[in-house]
Amino acid sequence: DQQVKQNSPSLSVQEGRISILNCDYTNSMFDYFLWYKKYPAEGPTFLISISSIKDKNEDGRFTVFLNKSAKHLSLHIVPSQPGDSAVYFCAPAESNTGKLIFGQGTTLQVKP
Amino acid sequence: DVKVTQSSRYLVKRTGEKVFLECVQDMDHENMFWYRQDPGLGLRLIYFSYDVKMKEKGDIPEGYSVSREKKERFSLILESASTNQTSMYLCASGTAYNEQFFGPGTRLTVL
Repeated sequence: DQQVKQNSPSLSVQEGRISILNCDYTNSMFDYFLWYKKYPAEGPTFLISISSIKDKNEDGRFTVFLNKSAKHLSLHIVPSQPGDSAVYFCAPAESNTGKLIFGQGTTLQVKP
Repeated sequence: DVKVTQSSRYLVKRTGEKVFLECVQDMDHENMFWYRQDPGLGLRLIYFSYDVKMKEKGDIPEGYSVSREKKERFSLILESASTNQTSMYLCASGTAYNEQFFGPGTRLTVL
């Protein structure tokens, strides 16, 4: 029973356009949400996060939106750059254990 | 910068062998984690530790054990490797559960 779902295994966008990566979750105990980025042959690196008390957090080209009622979050990258091509994981944190629960990942390809 | 290192980038073992994967962090983090990453499944937590000699099972601990004798070092042990343990293994450390820094990963192939 997957608590975190990233339903799009892959996404392809043109350079300069917006990339939108989506994540759905089922566990109401999640109180903090993180996005990680992973290049091939490297470990994931932290990208951006959002607390459950907020609905938006922005950091440069990256913005994360949280819709708690829908149990949905999304990562917007604008403008997208070829260097953004990577696998993106959403990872909510359980409030009772603090563990991160990773989604399956979405592979983003940004075409020049 | 936080540095998390893993002993091997690539490893090939035979079924039944005992396998040790080592992870070392240099930031004095209390918490350390072992995950495996498989296509279509994301990262799944195997074991974690929030203090020396402490360990907690994650979501998929079967077939694995861990050791944390020193704060900076967290080892994952496959007592008897099997082909279904072929995977990418990722170690992470952090000061709080929601701040995790990852190593480069070990690609383990069990033949």
